[in-house]
Amino acid sequence: DQQVKQNSPSLSVQEGRISILNCDYTNSMFDYFLWYKKYPAEGPTFLISISSIKDKNEDGRFTVFLNKSAKHLSLHIVPSQPGDSAVYFCAASDRGSRLTFGEGTQLTVNP
Amino acid sequence: GAGVSQSPSNKVTEKGKDVELRCDPISGHTALYWYRQSLGQGLEFLIYFQGNSAPDKSGLPSDRFSAERTGGSVSTLTIQRTQQEDSAVYLCASSLVPNGQFFGPGTRLTVL
Repeated sequence: DQQVKQNSPSLSVQEGRISILNCDYTNSMFDYFLWYKKYPAEGPTFLISISSIKDKNEDGRFTVFLNKSAKHLSLHIVPSQPGDSAVYFCAASDRGSRLTFGEGTQLTVNP
Repeated sequence: GAGVSQSPSNKVTEKGKDVELRCDPISGHTALYWYRQSLGQGLEFLIYFQGNSAPDKSGLPSDRFSAERTGGSVSTLTIQRTQQEDSAVYLCASSLVPNGQFFGPGTRLTVL
């Protein structure tokens, strides 16, 4: 039962363009959503989050959008930089307990 | 240290042996989580400790897996009679507040 899904295993974009990573969820009890970034041989690092009472949260080059009716969220990175190349995980929590993660999307930003 | 630390960073073992993985959370963090990431998969929740409450063990895949957290700090994840399907990266995270999980670098377990 995959409650959080990232349907694109990989995404390749040119430096300076926008990267859009997508995530879908099925559990309507999720009330908090997070994006983590992971480099090889390192643990995931927190990137940005959004509460279910909001539909947008912005932090510098990173913006997360939440569409509750569609149970969909997305992460926009603009402009994309080569250092953004990593695996991005979408995660969701229900009342602040454990996180349920998606499968991850490998982002490659080409110079 | 400033972050979550895990040891060993890599562990190679033979099928049937027991292994212990250690996690040192960030000082003061009351919650501690174990996840694992198998090849090509997302992170799978294993177990969650919050303060003195009974742990949430609902993610442990079998009774060969157990974890304890001593003194509300260091945690050990034990896998008995390891199987090849246990091969994965085991990640520990800690948090002070809900939704603020910081992850360690992980232990890569390989069962031959």
